[in-house]
Formats: sequence, structure tokens, C-alpha cells
Amino acid sequence: AQSVSQHNHHVILSEAASLELGCNYSYGGTVNLFWYVQYPGQHLQLLLKYFSGDPLVKGIKGFEAEFIKSKFSFNLRKPSVQWSDTAEYFCAEYYGNNRLAFGKGNQVVVIP
Amino acid sequence: DVKVTQSSRYLVKRTGEKVFLECVQDMDHENMFWYRQDPGLGLRLIYFSYDVKMKEKGDIPEGYSVSREKKERFSLILESASTNQTSMYLCASSLGEAQETQYFGPGTRLLVL
Repeated sequence: AQSVSQHNHHVILSEAASLELGCNYSYGGTVNLFWYVQYPGQHLQLLLKYFSGDPLVKGIKGFEAEFIKSKFSFNLRKPSVQWSDTAEYFCAEYYGNNRLAFGKGNQVVVIP
Repeated sequence: DVKVTQSSRYLVKRTGEKVFLECVQDMDHENMFWYRQDPGLGLRLIYFSYDVKMKEKGDIPEGYSVSREKKERFSLILESASTNQTSMYLCASSLGEAQETQYFGPGTRLLVL
């Protein structure tokens, strides 16, 4: 099975700090990458996705991610977090046959 | 907006019971998926379906079965619930190939006693 690695499962930071969540994927075929977010008590929703083109992808709520093929990475960033960014973040890659492989998630807590 | 609904938010069952989890989507999506979400393990695919009456095993199908009799509805069945099936179950749907965005339901938190 394909694997997606996310580091630092628990992240605690203060408001206005910068956030970067690492994601490494393994699939060697056509690359389709996603970041999903799950806010407390809410359903999982798409934050951003990369299929092709510009490797810097901008998503909702000021998030962006950079696809670096040579490093098999798709790191998520936000320059200045808010308390409302407290959530669990999942990186995922499509690896064919209708399948997405998800990472184990990053639990992010932003302290006001 | 795509809406994916799940029949229950919380469910408590006893070991050995047969459990049905229902999922309905309203956007005519071909693909539907069942995942389980456990702390520290992320989302793991149980089964998915790419058309009515069609299904494929995911990464952890043991102890589960599925049914898709209508395009909008995808059911997950635990034939004989066990305590290690206590988990959050998420349903998702997508249009066409799975590289399309998957839309998730609110989840069913199942406790098996």
C-alpha cells in the first residue's frame, strides 16, 4: 500500500505564529495530492489540492502548499495562524484505482 | 453544495450485534467510500464503490461488508460487531475518478461494548 508520512503529530503554537506541516508521499506515478482539514465537531473538508502546473498551490483560509517533486513533499503553510485554525490536518495522495492514501494527521492547537 | 449525510452521529452496540451504517449523497456521484478514523492512525479505507452494485475492498475490509443498491446510498455492515470496531466511521463520495475531491459526511461514532 502507498504511504503518506506526516510529521509532528501534535503542534501547539500561538496566534500570529507561522505554521508549516510536513507531508511526504510515496507514489511514483501521476501525482495528485490533497490537504484536508477537520475542525472540531465538523466534517472533513478540502483545504487545497495539486494535480499539475504551478507547484505552489493556494487554498482556502490563507493556506498554501508547495509540491517539491525531488523531495516527494507537499508541505502545508500558513504565515500567521488564528485561533480558528485549531483543527486536525490530513495530507492525502491519490494512487490509482479510486484510492486515496491518507497520512496520520497533524493535530494543531492555536493558543489565543 | 455537495451533501453527504450519515444515518447516525453516535451509535452504541453490543458485541455480536449486526450493525448497519447508512450514507446518502445528493450529487449523483459515482464513487462512494467508507473509512474508519482512529487517533494516531488517520483515515483507513474499508470499502469503496464505483457504481451501483459494484464494490472493491480497501485496506482493512475484514469484518465489514457493504451494499450499494442505489447510486445515492452506500451502506456499511458489521456482520458481528466486535470491540475493536469501536471507531469513527466516515463516508465520502466523489465524482468520476478518485483524484476528484472527496466530500465527507459528518461521521458516525460507534462504540461496541
